[in-house]
Amino acid sequence: GAGVSQTPSNKVTEKGKYVELRCDPISGHTALYWYRQSLGQGPEFLIYFQGTGAADDSGLPNDRFFAVRPEGSVSTLKIQRTERGDSAVYLCASSLNRGLAGVNTDTQYFGPGTRLTVL
Amino acid sequence: KQEVTQIPAALSVPEGENLVLNCSFTDSAIYNLQWFRQDPGKGLTSLLLIQSSQREQTSGRLNASLDKSSGRSTLYIAASQPGDSATYLCAVRQAGGFKTIFGAGTRLFVKA
Repeated sequence: GAGVSQTPSNKVTEKGKYVELRCDPISGHTALYWYRQSLGQGPEFLIYFQGTGAADDSGLPNDRFFAVRPEGSVSTLKIQRTERGDSAVYLCASSLNRGLAGVNTDTQYFGPGTRLTVL
Repeated sequence: KQEVTQIPAALSVPEGENLVLNCSFTDSAIYNLQWFRQDPGKGLTSLLLIQSSQREQTSGRLNASLDKSSGRSTLYIAASQPGDSATYLCAVRQAGGFKTIFGAGTRLFVKA
């Protein structure tokens, strides 16, 4: 597709349930970021992938959160035993990140987000 | 620990006015700084990216400057229009890594 897509757009779940959120980055983009955004705040960094590997997962709040990107394209953010405090908009971004001389490849392009509500 | 602050938190101006949005960061060891706009209920749209070695970037009516040593960036919007109404966010990517830290944003309202 032309841009970053995320599914579902909305997810309502009950406390204690497991959820998966999906991100399809722009084709050919090697870098992928996950963020979450609470109302009135800027996005909060969660994890960064370069290719298939999680190069920086320092933003994951605890071990209930996990993300994968097995083929270096689509990524899934997984949240176990959801809590009400996990309610937020989860945003995904991708960038080309090719290190091409004289070319900006670091711009992050964001998807529309998944609004997660934990009841 | 990097902290990013945006001032003002909200701004209302009449159409046609030139305006400046401010972003400050506490750790000058950055790789780049990016400005975004976010419309209500939507994702973020990239406006300008400044690498740490650059001083400014321009796109149309937008101009972003970076003073890394003082930990400041400004986004200048010329001849504002009602369509510019949105939340503007700045984000810094840390040097030597990939973590990107966002400010809380400035909510801009341009009155027709």
